[in-house]
Amino acid sequence: DAGVIQSPRHEVTEMGQEVTLRCKPISGHNSLFWYRQTMMRGLELLIYFNNNVPIDDSGMPEDRFSAKMPNASFSTLKIQPSEPRDSAVYFCASSLLFPWYSAQYFGPGTRLLVL
Amino acid sequence: QQPVQSPQAVILREGEDAVINCSSSKALYSVHWYRQKHGEAPVFLMILLKGGEQKGHEKISASFNEKKQQSSLYLTASQLSYSGTYFCGTEETSGSRLTFGEGTQLTVNP
Repeated sequence: DAGVIQSPRHEVTEMGQEVTLRCKPISGHNSLFWYRQTMMRGLELLIYFNNNVPIDDSGMPEDRFSAKMPNASFSTLKIQPSEPRDSAVYFCASSLLFPWYSAQYFGPGTRLLVL
Repeated sequence: QQPVQSPQAVILREGEDAVINCSSSKALYSVHWYRQKHGEAPVFLMILLKGGEQKGHEKISASFNEKKQQSSLYLTASQLSYSGTYFCGTEETSGSRLTFGEGTQLTVNP
């Protein structure tokens, strides 16, 4: 079975540009999570969805960040406008059951560099 | 509230044992353990729910002492493949946000 798929794997952009990260969760999983990882802040949960509905977005750093999950097989994380401090690895993860009682399967991540 | 992991880093020789601790200043409902190799995504190891249970995964096991608000990850007879950064994630109440610690970097040398 295919794991969590993320695209692009690497993104280099200039400050002020819009960035869209994409995620396809594992088929049949009902929860999806977006994380950001940096050396300074570690692994941070940004937002998570259950059955395509956003449950907790309190980790989204500011209004420049938005996430959507239009259907069970696709989610996007958008940054508009991007800033250099947004440079990080962004992971998408999915899980089968109620969010915290089953394993989260992480995608390979998108390495974002904002110049 | 971010849990505190200790030690921050540990270096072992193959075959040696190690313990990684994860503690919180708040009551915990569950503790999750993940391992991340350099340049890769975190990989799930195990979940422990309150009740002081202990779980095992290969030669890796963990305990959760809810009264002490801490969990420990035990790696026995370490293998080279155990190298990586180990993260604990904690949940304070059922369904609350999962918050990860800063990680413990484990290096196993031949």
